[in-house]
Amino acid sequence: NAGVTQTPKFRVLKTGQSMTLLCAQDMNHEYMYWYRQDPGMGLRLIHYSVGEGTTAKGEVPDGYNVSRLKKQNFLLGLESAAPSQTSVYFCASKGVEGGNIQYFGAGTRLSVL
Amino acid sequence: AQTVTQSQPEMSVQEAETVTLSCTYDTSESDYYLFWYKQPPSRQMILVIRQEAYKQQNATENRFSVNFQKAAKSFSLKISDSQLGDAAMYFCAYRSDSSNTGKLIFGQGTTLQVKP
Repeated sequence: NAGVTQTPKFRVLKTGQSMTLLCAQDMNHEYMYWYRQDPGMGLRLIHYSVGEGTTAKGEVPDGYNVSRLKKQNFLLGLESAAPSQTSVYFCASKGVEGGNIQYFGAGTRLSVL
Repeated sequence: AQTVTQSQPEMSVQEAETVTLSCTYDTSESDYYLFWYKQPPSRQMILVIRQEAYKQQNATENRFSVNFQKAAKSFSLKISDSQLGDAAMYFCAYRSDSSNTGKLIFGQGTTLQVKP
């Protein structure tokens, strides 16, 4: 079972470059989420989606954009990367049923120089 | 807004002994869910245990159990018979039941070291 798959696993960017992180889930989940993890701050929600074609802002959305064109995919974009976006990014998904449990991908470590 | 606080950045325990990780939260809601996630060095977030606020009985999963004190807004995790594989960062998380977004609010995390 693949579950939640994130690509890439690692990436180094220069300030001002753009990139897209891909999250794919094969569990037919309605809800998908993007979090960032920084030392001493736990995981903070960037954007989320409650269904195909919908997106909404989370706690720290500035500098990021997202799209959910297909139910199984949730893309996180950085249009102009900044050093403050150096972090580990996690995608998660959740079904309507199943005990309200979020299932996480393995994370993407991003460094912006 | 809801908040989750883990006041212990680091904890250590001797193998085979018991350790308790603390978590407090702040909310005005009566219905919600609480979770403990484990993050080993591989970075993968693994659900350890889940508690529904409307249930008075404390959740238990094998060697892992919680002490849920709703009035005190406390949700501690007890690990019994600690094993080397329990070494990881542990996150406490809150989810509102009144919102249909399913968003999780995480604490800062506690790094658990298990000594052989």
